[in-house]
Amino acid sequence: LAKTTQPISMDSYEGQEVNITCSHNNIATNDYITWYQQFPSQGPRFIIQGYKTKVTNEVASLFIPADRKSSTLSLPRVSLSDTAVYYCLVGDIDQAGTALIFGKGTTLSVSS
Amino acid sequence: DAGVTQSPTHLIKTRGQQVTLRCSPKSGHDTVSWYQQALGQGPQFIFQYYEEEERQRGNFPDRFSGHQFPNYSSELNVNALLLGDSALYLCARSFGQSQVYGYTFGSGTRLTVV
Repeated sequence: LAKTTQPISMDSYEGQEVNITCSHNNIATNDYITWYQQFPSQGPRFIIQGYKTKVTNEVASLFIPADRKSSTLSLPRVSLSDTAVYYCLVGDIDQAGTALIFGKGTTLSVSS
Repeated sequence: DAGVTQSPTHLIKTRGQQVTLRCSPKSGHDTVSWYQQALGQGPQFIFQYYEEEERQRGNFPDRFSGHQFPNYSSELNVNALLLGDSALYLCARSFGQSQVYGYTFGSGTRLTVV
């Protein structure tokens, strides 16, 4: 079973900042938080990964509070091409043989 | 995705038949994982291979079997196909034995069972 809970869907307009929150109350000490993006008929694409505090890359930011029981993916100034399903995963990425488990994800719809 | 090649891209099979799907990671020393994604659902983990050994298996029946070759490519075999096996089958590679750098997924094989 997936160890995360996300909203099923979100709507936004072009140019807005979108924040998708993921709940992972039972996160283990060695677990990292990873986000993927998936377009229809394509495989998921790695977006960002973090353990605590804040991580930023060229496409997104990931905010993780001190208790690590939730995390927020922030997409700055979204465009129509950001319409996709976003998955939050938690797992011990350093442990050999540990597979990452996907939940149902959040469907983000961006309109003009 | 340029890092993983899956073949075929689409496949139509009849119920009861057997199917083999293939995955070729771009680089070596990779862990290869297989996922099944039904329409409107998230990817479901099938199994994972590293150095030709199955390291972990999800909640799938024995009809689903796999193999990893010395060149790190992999096959997924499904016997006695059911209508419910219709899905997008995804192969993912990760460097070495962990997911420190995340998964790189292929574009998948769309299997339709009629």
